[in-house]
Amino acid sequence: AQSVTQPDIHITVSEGASLELRCNYSYGATPYLFWYVQSPGQGLQLLLKYFSGDTLVQGIKGFEAEFKRSQSSFNLRKPSVHWSDAAEYFCAVLNTGTASKLTFGTGTRLQVTL
Amino acid sequence: KAGVTQTPRYLIKTRGQQVTLSCSPISGHRSVSWYQQTPGQGLQFLFEYFSETQRNKGNFPGRFSGRQFSNSRSEMNVSTLELGDSALYLCASWTGPEQFFGPGTRLTVL
Repeated sequence: AQSVTQPDIHITVSEGASLELRCNYSYGATPYLFWYVQSPGQGLQLLLKYFSGDTLVQGIKGFEAEFKRSQSSFNLRKPSVHWSDAAEYFCAVLNTGTASKLTFGTGTRLQVTL
Repeated sequence: KAGVTQTPRYLIKTRGQQVTLSCSPISGHRSVSWYQQTPGQGLQFLFEYFSETQRNKGNFPGRFSGRQFSNSRSEMNVSTLELGDSALYLCASWTGPEQFFGPGTRLTVL
């Protein structure tokens, strides 16, 4: 069965600093991978996705992620964090086998200090 | 294009009651999935519907049920509510691999 691991539960960065959120996945076939962001009391907003092709994908709000098959990783990065980026971030893999079901990691809560 | 809408946004119920949550997908999307989000268990898949048919169900008891209508709107129902059912229930709609989520319904069971 597929699984997603986000090893960092909570990360604090200073505004203007760079950010990297880690995600490791386990999936038998070529994965469809996603990063979502959730602000308090809100739903999930899609930041970016990887299906195939170029392993460096660009998303909204200045985020990017790199797919590394050899490491089973899909880490999210941003060169300069803004205070408004404080939120919870979820990595997810799509099961395209029996049904279109997303399996999520446990999330990483990002705190931004001014 | 309007996004996924969920109603109501907040609900308070007592143990033993039942509840119905509604989800209206993005226009043109025929697939809807439901997820439960709790602090302890995280985001867990409940069920998936396509063209009024349930295609998959997660590991939840039979108290959790759902349906989809011909206009793709979906409802989920939880009967005999338990305290542990308190959660944010999220609905997602899609037509391809990307799933778009609604704001969720926050259910509190007292």
